[in-house]
Amino acid sequence: DAGVIQSPRHEVTEMGQEVTLRCKPISGHDYLFWYRQTMMRGLELLIYFNNNVPIDDSGMPEDRFSAKMPNASFSTLKIQPSEPRDSAVYFCASSRVAGELFFGEGSRLTVL
Amino acid sequence: AQKVTQAQTEISVVEKEDVTLDCVYETRDTTYYLFWYKQPPSGELVFLIRRNSFDEQNEISGRYSWNFQKSTSSFNFTITASQVVDSAVYFCALSELEGNEKLTFGTGTRLTIIP
Repeated sequence: DAGVIQSPRHEVTEMGQEVTLRCKPISGHDYLFWYRQTMMRGLELLIYFNNNVPIDDSGMPEDRFSAKMPNASFSTLKIQPSEPRDSAVYFCASSRVAGELFFGEGSRLTVL
Repeated sequence: AQKVTQAQTEISVVEKEDVTLDCVYETRDTTYYLFWYKQPPSGELVFLIRRNSFDEQNEISGRYSWNFQKSTSSFNFTITASQVVDSAVYFCALSELEGNEKLTFGTGTRLTIIP
């Protein structure tokens, strides 16, 4: 079975540009998560969805960040405008059982 | 508020040695779940184990074992006869009642197995 698929794997952009990260969860998983990993802050939950509905977005840093899940097989995380401090690895994960998350390989974002 | 502490930032051991990774947690809830995840050099996190707060039995899976002690709020992870493939960053995590899917991760322990 295919795992969680994220794209792009690497993104380098300039400050002020819009960034869109994409995620395809595992089929049949009801939950989808967006995490961010940095050396300074570790793993941070940004937002999670249940059955395509955002449940908790308290981790979204500010209004520059937005996430959508238009259907059960696709989600996006958008940053507009991007800033250098947004540089991180962004992980998408999905789950069917509480806490048993399946992570994608991550999208490494560098904002210059 | 929940908190997970992994005091060991980095550990190095020689192959075939046993190694224990420590995890201490804080929570006000009586029902909660504890987890371990592995992050190999390839980057994606891999689920290893889930344990609920009512089940204090130790768990063994091959060379891996977990020791859950509520009295000390610890959920330690031991690798027996370590192998180079065990080299990774290991994260302990905590979540509250089932239905609340938020995991609070520790800062991770980087384990290096020296051949």
